[in-house]
Amino acid sequence: KQEVTQIPAALSVPEGENLVLNCSFTDSAIYNLQWFRQDPGKGLTSLLLIQSSQREQTSGRLNASLDKSSGRSTLYIAASQPGDSATYLCAPHSGFGNEKLTFGTGTRLTIIP
Amino acid sequence: DTGVSQDPRHKITKRGQNVTFRCDPISEHNRLYWYRQTLGQGPEFLTYFQNEAQLEKSRLLSDRFSAERPKGSFSTLEIQRTEQGDSAMYLCASSSVRYTEAFFGQGTRLTVV
Repeated sequence: KQEVTQIPAALSVPEGENLVLNCSFTDSAIYNLQWFRQDPGKGLTSLLLIQSSQREQTSGRLNASLDKSSGRSTLYIAASQPGDSATYLCAPHSGFGNEKLTFGTGTRLTIIP
Repeated sequence: DTGVSQDPRHKITKRGQNVTFRCDPISEHNRLYWYRQTLGQGPEFLTYFQNEAQLEKSRLLSDRFSAERPKGSFSTLEIQRTEQGDSAMYLCASSSVRYTEAFFGQGTRLTVV
């Protein structure tokens, strides 16, 4: 059974800083991994999808890395802004006949103006 | 159609009543997923469809829960004889084919009183 852990559970940083969010998963037999953000009381917004064959994927100020063999992914946010404040969730897609995404509890990020 | 649409956004019901939620996926997405999210937790998988076929159900989906996707377009999730423990955000997601990027709706917040 896939289990996902995200550390830290909460993070506060001043505006403008670069930061890294961590995600670890127990079953390395994944097809891909998706990062989402969630604003309070809202649905999930997809940020990045990184395939198991990729090591990095970039979108604007966001960069996701994946080390499948060690069961780890990181989300790097450059030059953080107050609008980045949200909960960030990672979800590996186990694939191979198991099509659901498995989520951790997320990292609640607060950017201090 | 620019995204996954869920209706209603909020539902308050008395314990013991039946409720039904609707999800309209992105056009031509043949995968449709239902998740449930309680406060402070990540989304948990409930069930998914490939076109009109329901291919997997979580053990979280008790006999009081039923989901349908007639004609492979919109989907409904019905909860019969609601309990206070059913209070949660119910999220719908769709993807074009398996293992591709999943897009989520804004969710339906259910409160059972």
